Amino acid sequence: QKEVEQDPGPLSVPEGAIVSLNCTYSNSAFQYFMWYRQYSRKGPELLMYTYSSGNKEDGRFTAQVDKSSKYISLFIRDSQPSDSATYLCAMNSNYQLIWGAGTKLIIKP
Amino acid sequence: DVKVTQSSRYLVKRTGEKVFLECVQDMDHENMFWYRQDPGLGLRLIYFSYDVKMKEKGDIPEGYSVSREKKERFSLILESASTNQTSMYLCASSPGHGNNYGYTFGSGTRLTVV
Repeated sequence: QKEVEQDPGPLSVPEGAIVSLNCTYSNSAFQYFMWYRQYSRKGPELLMYTYSSGNKEDGRFTAQVDKSSKYISLFIRDSQPSDSATYLCAMNSNYQLIWGAGTKLIIKP
Repeated sequence: DVKVTQSSRYLVKRTGEKVFLECVQDMDHENMFWYRQDPGLGLRLIYFSYDVKMKEKGDIPEGYSVSREKKERFSLILESASTNQTSMYLCASSPGHGNNYGYTFGSGTRLTVV
């Protein structure tokens, strides 16, 4: 079993929809939880991070962590075609991040 | 604007060649990382370094080596390139000193070994 599980998609939704992206993990020691966005032919870029449990909001994006269920989510409201990308979750372990496989998101105009 | 720069966007090399991938960061970051990214497999860590002249093996170090002679530069070396090393290679850096989430990535090098 992988330490971090993420559905690779692709996930295709119409413009304006609410998108939910999710990861599950097995290591209860993880404390920082991150979402990275990767556009085609580019490196990943940090989108949001949260420490421990709870919610964090940034514009149209909300990151949610439920440590009791070992489950994290990224919600995108009013999705736009420019949100089309691969979204990777990541969690910290000492010097390293442990990565999900990434979910490819397609927003159809 | 902070940057991680990878020397090449695309490379084509022959089987058996020695290949050097260069990465430079201008943020005075302590930690640097080399990943490869393949469809369906996500990001896999090859090597990382948390200080000059220090290196640690990641999950898939076989067939690779690294060099970090200066803080800003981290090189990945394919000793004898093979076709199964055809991949996207991504370099990243992070501040260190307890900040293990703020990774900055380069744009990647797409390596094809023929």
